[in-house]
Amino acid sequence: DAGVIQSPRHEVTEMGQEVTLRCKPISGHNSLFWYRQTMMRGLELLIYFNNNVPIDDSGMPEDRFSAKMPNASFSTLKIQPSEPRDSAVYFCASKRGPETQYFGPGTRLLVL
Amino acid sequence: AQSVTQLDSQVPVFEEAPVELRCNYSSSVSVYLFWYVQYPNQGLQLLLKYLSGSTLVKGINGFEAEFNKSQTSFHLRKPSVHISDTAEYFCAVSEASSGDKLTFGTGTRLAVRP
Repeated sequence: DAGVIQSPRHEVTEMGQEVTLRCKPISGHNSLFWYRQTMMRGLELLIYFNNNVPIDDSGMPEDRFSAKMPNASFSTLKIQPSEPRDSAVYFCASKRGPETQYFGPGTRLLVL
Repeated sequence: AQSVTQLDSQVPVFEEAPVELRCNYSSSVSVYLFWYVQYPNQGLQLLLKYLSGSTLVKGINGFEAEFNKSQTSFHLRKPSVHISDTAEYFCAVSEASSGDKLTFGTGTRLAVRP
């Protein structure tokens, strides 16, 4: 299996621009998670989906962040407008049922 | 809600020496416990997990961990480390009833010196 795929791997943008991060979970996995990793706050869960339905978005920092999962093989995390404090590494992870979460390689976002 | 404490932010150790990375958790319900490793500029990779059964869990790369319910600990050990073990190690916990949300510790950087 190809594992969790994230794109882009690196993104540099200017403050105020819209940023879209993409994730393709492992085939057959029915749960998908978005995390953010920063030096100051460590790894934080932003939102997760079960069977394409958002279950818990309490970690989404503010209205500028939104996530969608239109089908079982694709999810997006959008930031609009972006701010410098959004600079971080964003990870997507997926799992099947109660099993282990498998992480993607991450998207390194820098907002200037 | 659960929480995870990794008391050591950095652990320097010489190659071939033993190492223990400490993890303590707090939860009012039964939990699953995990250790993940993150190499530079990479995602997280599962080292090992405790779901139930034997409290001594063996993982990849020669690592093992022991679940101690009375001390609410899940310390990670390796009897002899290699340079290639240099990485960030994260302990994580989830509720056994759902197994969905993972709460991570702040990480421990293991620095192996020759």
